[in-house]
Amino acid sequence: KAGVTQTPRYLIKTRGQQVTLSCSPISGHRSVSWYQQTPGQGLQFLFEYFSETQRNKGNFPGRFSGRQFSNSRSEMNVSTLELGDSALYLCASSTPGHGTDTQYFGPGTRLTVL
Amino acid sequence: QKEVEQNSGPLSVPEGAIASLNCTYSDRGSQSFFWYRQYSGKSPELIMSIYSNGDKEDGRFTAQLNKASQYVSLLIRDSQPSDSATYLCAGTIGSGNTGKLIFGQGTTLQVKP
Repeated sequence: KAGVTQTPRYLIKTRGQQVTLSCSPISGHRSVSWYQQTPGQGLQFLFEYFSETQRNKGNFPGRFSGRQFSNSRSEMNVSTLELGDSALYLCASSTPGHGTDTQYFGPGTRLTVL
Repeated sequence: QKEVEQNSGPLSVPEGAIASLNCTYSDRGSQSFFWYRQYSGKSPELIMSIYSNGDKEDGRFTAQLNKASQYVSLLIRDSQPSDSATYLCAGTIGSGNTGKLIFGQGTTLQVKP
């Protein structure tokens, strides 16, 4: 079974621009979670989508948004980029169950904001 | 207090030794715990999941969970240089937090030949 895929793998943007990142989950997985990883803050939860609905959201500003499509693919968007948004953005997919939400991560998108 | 805490290390062990990685969490309502391994420049890779008190073994890896002490650990037996990586402890904190894992800062493990 193919793993989680993310595109693009690398991005360089300038402050004020916006960016869209894509994530395709493992076949059959309906939940997609997004995380931001930085050296200072570690891995932080952004949001989670299931059946095209955002079920959970982390403590990030409204510039960070996402969506999920009917085929479970997900996108996240960051508007008005800031230098501090430079990070590795990871998505993870899982098959929700009662307390067994094992998440599998994609390779990540490395975003650099100049 | 952070919700999930790990010693950042580095933890250095000789090849063939047992590496012991520890993690504590703050919310007694936490249900599921996971250990991920992350090599430099790569994404986290799942090693083990554990949901019940006690030990769970998978090959050279043993995860231990003690909900009364709010403590999770990972033992790596016969450590190999290829085990050198950052190990991330994560948990589903609280109830109703679907799809949200809270991660510790990670412990860097160095296995010396």
